[in-house]
Amino acid sequence: NAGVTQTPKFQVLKTGQSMTLQCAQDMNHEYMSWYRQDPGMGLRLIHYSVGAGITDQGEVPNGYNVSRSTTEDFPLRLLSAAPSQTSVYFCASSYGPSLYTGELFFGEGSRLTVL
Amino acid sequence: GQQVMQIPQYQHVQEGEDFTTYCNSSTTLSNIQWYKQRPGGHPVFLIQLVKSGEVKKQKRLTFQFGEAKKNSSLHITATQTTDVGTYFCAGIQGAQKLVFGQGTRLTINP
Repeated sequence: NAGVTQTPKFQVLKTGQSMTLQCAQDMNHEYMSWYRQDPGMGLRLIHYSVGAGITDQGEVPNGYNVSRSTTEDFPLRLLSAAPSQTSVYFCASSYGPSLYTGELFFGEGSRLTVL
Repeated sequence: GQQVMQIPQYQHVQEGEDFTTYCNSSTTLSNIQWYKQRPGGHPVFLIQLVKSGEVKKQKRLTFQFGEAKKNSSLHITATQTTDVGTYFCAGIQGAQKLVFGQGTRLTINP
């Protein structure tokens, strides 16, 4: 099993550009989520999904869109990139749909810089 | 909403010294999870605590969950260079959101 796979690992954007961060998992997990990590801020939840066709907002959803058309994939879209979105993004999955059933498995991260 | 605070933010120790990080929540937690992130890496799950007053050990790591389920701690005995990284606690909010503390970054002088 590859686990949780994120692409790309690095990306540089200009302000106003859009892009999609890809996330795929091969563990048949129901729960998937996106976090951003900034120095001194820990990990903050952007969006999450408890199954195909179901998504919900986390702590910092503004400027991001998600969709979950399959169990395996959970892409994160930046609609119009801003410098404040410069961060490291982590996708994470869990057996789910409730987090009481187990831990999060994280991807290796995507480092995004917005100029 | 629920807030999870961790202290200290940074800790530098000599190899062989002990290390402790503390986690406090503004609300009662149903359970708490601990993760470790190596420099340049991704968070990796260490353990989950569920019961009030629970103590669990993993080799040199000791995890405690407070009696009131509003605080937790991670203690590492006799640190080694492999312990370097950032340690995060996280509490579950509403069954489907994991709220992370800011993390404690541990560096070690060999």
